[in-house]
Order: sequence, then structure tokens, then C-alpha cells
Amino acid sequence: DAGVIQSPRHEVTEMGQEVTLRCKPISGHDYLFWYRQTMMRGLELLIYFNNNVPIDDSGMPEDRFSAKMPNASFSTLKIQPSEPRDSAVYFCASSFLGTVYYNEQFFGPGTRLTVL
Amino acid sequence: AQKVTQAQTEISVVEKEDVTLDCVYETRDTTYYLFWYKQPPSGELVFLIRRNSFDEQNEISGRYSWNFQKSTSSFNFTITASQVVDSAVYFCALSEANFGNEKLTFGTGTRLTIIP
Repeated sequence: DAGVIQSPRHEVTEMGQEVTLRCKPISGHDYLFWYRQTMMRGLELLIYFNNNVPIDDSGMPEDRFSAKMPNASFSTLKIQPSEPRDSAVYFCASSFLGTVYYNEQFFGPGTRLTVL
Repeated sequence: AQKVTQAQTEISVVEKEDVTLDCVYETRDTTYYLFWYKQPPSGELVFLIRRNSFDEQNEISGRYSWNFQKSTSSFNFTITASQVVDSAVYFCALSEANFGNEKLTFGTGTRLTIIP
């Protein structure tokens, strides 16, 4: 299996621009998670989906952030407009709800976002 | 509310020494899962272990071992005969074991540096 795939790996943009991060979960996984990692706040869960439906978006910082999962193999995290404080590494993770592998989340390589 | 505390921000040891990374957790749930993840300098998050709250047996995997003690709410991680490749940030994490709530709460991480 190819693992969780994220694109782009690096993104540099200017304040005010729209940014879209993409994630392809592991085939067969029914949960998808978006995390943000910063030095100040560590790893934070932003939102997660089950069977393409958003379950908990309480970690989304503000209305500038939105996430979608149009199908089981693709999700996006959009920031519009972007601000310098959004600079972070954004991770996507997926997992399979099964007894043996309960909540073992597999992480993608991350997208390093820099907003100038 | 769930909380994971990794009091050791940074640890440095000389190669071949043993090192223990501490993790203390808080939860009101009687059923939960504990995890350790490794984040090497390359940035990806690598799953190391999952332990459920009903299983207090210590686990050993090669040079890695984990000590789970419910009485002290701790889930410590020991690396025996450390190697330079063990240099990484290590995260402890906690999740409820309830279907419909699969969020992981991460600690702030411990940066481990193995000195050759």
C-alpha cells in the first residue's frame, strides 16, 4: 500500500491567498483526520471524517478554514484567506475501525505551509 | 477532558545508554487507548505502539519497551542501548475507546538526541 499521500509537500504563499492542501487516505480506511503541528501548540486535531462525513470540527481555528471529503479517497483542507500565523505543518492521517487496528492512525508525510 | 503530559521537553544521552521517556495521562474514561509515535528529523509520524486500558502487561519490542501503570496513570517508554537513529521527537497520545469518538490527544513531545 502506498500509505497516506499528501500534496503539496511544501507550500509557500503570500498573506491573503487561498491555500488548498490535499490528502489521499489509505484505501479501505474509513476515518480521515487533519492535524496541524506548530512549535507553540504542538499537534492539534483540526477535523475528522468518518465515511466522508465530518464528525468533529471543533478544532478548526476559524471560518477561514474549511475541509471537505467528497469521496472515500480524497480530502481537502482549504485556508482562505491565509495569514502568517497559519504557517505550520499540516498532517493528514487515516485509520480503519476494526477491533485489531482500533484507532491506529497512519500519518501522511505532511505539508509544510509558509505564509509570508 | 483528556490530557497527556510529557514533562521532559528534551533529553540527550550518549549512544548505548538507556533512556526512559515519561508520559502521564488524564482521562475520566475507564476504557481508553494509549499510543506512542516517533517523529524523526524527516518529519513523518511513525506509529510505535498501541495499548488498551485493560492490558497492563509491559511490552518489549527489540530495544523498545513500554511500562503501563494505571495506578499512576503513566505509560513510559524505554529505549535500551540507544542508537543515533533513535534521535527523534517522541509523542505519547491518548484516545477514548468509544465508537464515534476516535480523537487522539497528543502530548507536547520529547525531543531525544542520541550523542555518538
